[in-house]
Amino acid sequence: GAVVSQHPSWVICKSGTSVKIECRSLDFQATTMFWYRQFPKQSLMLMATSNEGSKATYEQGVEKDKFLINHASLTLSTLTVTSAHPEDSSFYICSAPGPGDTQYFGPGTRLTVL
Amino acid sequence: GQQVMQIPQYQHVQEGEDFTTYCNSSTTLSNIQWYKQRPGGHPVFLIQLVKSGEVKKQKRLTFQFGEAKKNSSLHITATQTTDVGTYFCLKGAQKLVFGQGTRLTINP
Repeated sequence: GAVVSQHPSWVICKSGTSVKIECRSLDFQATTMFWYRQFPKQSLMLMATSNEGSKATYEQGVEKDKFLINHASLTLSTLTVTSAHPEDSSFYICSAPGPGDTQYFGPGTRLTVL
Repeated sequence: GQQVMQIPQYQHVQEGEDFTTYCNSSTTLSNIQWYKQRPGGHPVFLIQLVKSGEVKKQKRLTFQFGEAKKNSSLHITATQTTDVGTYFCLKGAQKLVFGQGTRLTINP
């Protein structure tokens, strides 16, 4: 079946640094990918829609200059958390619509900012 | 705006009891999908409903789509400990909207 990978699976960084998270569709192409964050015991919150070859679409309240998204190819989207602060600590998940238009989720990246 | 209300937020049952979660939309849905997220894991697709009044079954899980295509439910018969997790409904294709999720815990 369709597989989406994420890298890294977890990262710890110092406040003020930037962190890049990769999302790859391994056996299918995705012109669109979605990025979410999830706080403990809460639902997924859609942050942005990543579009191959064009700018990402951000949800209301999500700072585009803080969460940089680049959809470099039909199988790769990256999310860069710039100048990370402790409040950015969260679980970040990506998904891509695969066969049957269902969402295939990456395993997630747990970011901890010290 | 487009919202999907999901209830209940939490449900704790004894193993063997039934469980149901509901999603309600303010607008008519073209389709609705259901996902399960195990503790510490990522959401995994369960099923998609498209037709008005559609009912689909997966072993002990029964999914329903309302006649008006504004609500949906997931029912688990005789829960097992492996059913523990959070169940989400999802609407949309280009614009995704998740329900808040129902977290199911089970007392063995």
